[in-house]
Amino acid sequence: DAKTTQPNSMESNEEEPVHLPCNHSTISGTDYIHWYRQLPSQGPEYVIHGLTSNVNNRMASLAIAEDRKSSTLILHRATLRDAAVYYCILKSSGGSNYKLTFGKGTLLTVNP
Amino acid sequence: DGGITQSPKYLFRKEGQNVTLSCEQNLNHDAMYWYRQDPGQGLRLIYYSQIVNDFQKGDIAEGYSVSREKKESFPLTVTSAQKNPTAFYLCASSASPGPQHFGDGTRLSIL
Repeated sequence: DAKTTQPNSMESNEEEPVHLPCNHSTISGTDYIHWYRQLPSQGPEYVIHGLTSNVNNRMASLAIAEDRKSSTLILHRATLRDAAVYYCILKSSGGSNYKLTFGKGTLLTVNP
Repeated sequence: DGGITQSPKYLFRKEGQNVTLSCEQNLNHDAMYWYRQDPGQGLRLIYYSQIVNDFQKGDIAEGYSVSREKKESFPLTVTSAQKNPTAFYLCASSASPGPQHFGDGTRLSIL
């Protein structure tokens, strides 16, 4: 599986935008970029995913570099409830719909 | 509301004892998954099932067993062969294709 690299931790202030980076230099043409987040003592929660174009939904935006070797998850106005571990995961569009490979993710701390 | 229910939230096991973790979903998803999470680590796949009566081993299946007799249910048994069972266990389901939806987990500890 192609690997992703994320910073171990990041810090933000409440109501400010947060940009969470992810590097995936060995991404293949059929790999989608998925983001999940995990709040303390809970299961992960799907945030957003994309292939080539930037994506927006009610939770966040995903900006994908033109060469697809990196991407950035954008939280437009961080709240205390956004404090979580954020995972960037590559998932192939081919084959079976299984096996999300989770790394350690980025621990986001939001300061009031 | 549709979702995934894992029970119990906390479970204690004695040495040499098998325990079964429950996972039920009412999302009408075909695929279901079991993951294990150790402190400070990401999730690792134990078993997954894409259809009823069929399942495959994930990355760390040794010491675990599963069944998929109904679409809604995917119980995980932690056997006595699993030497280090203390962990946070997460169940997920997905439509094909689609994101995975997770339960709130079961925390297993050894007495």
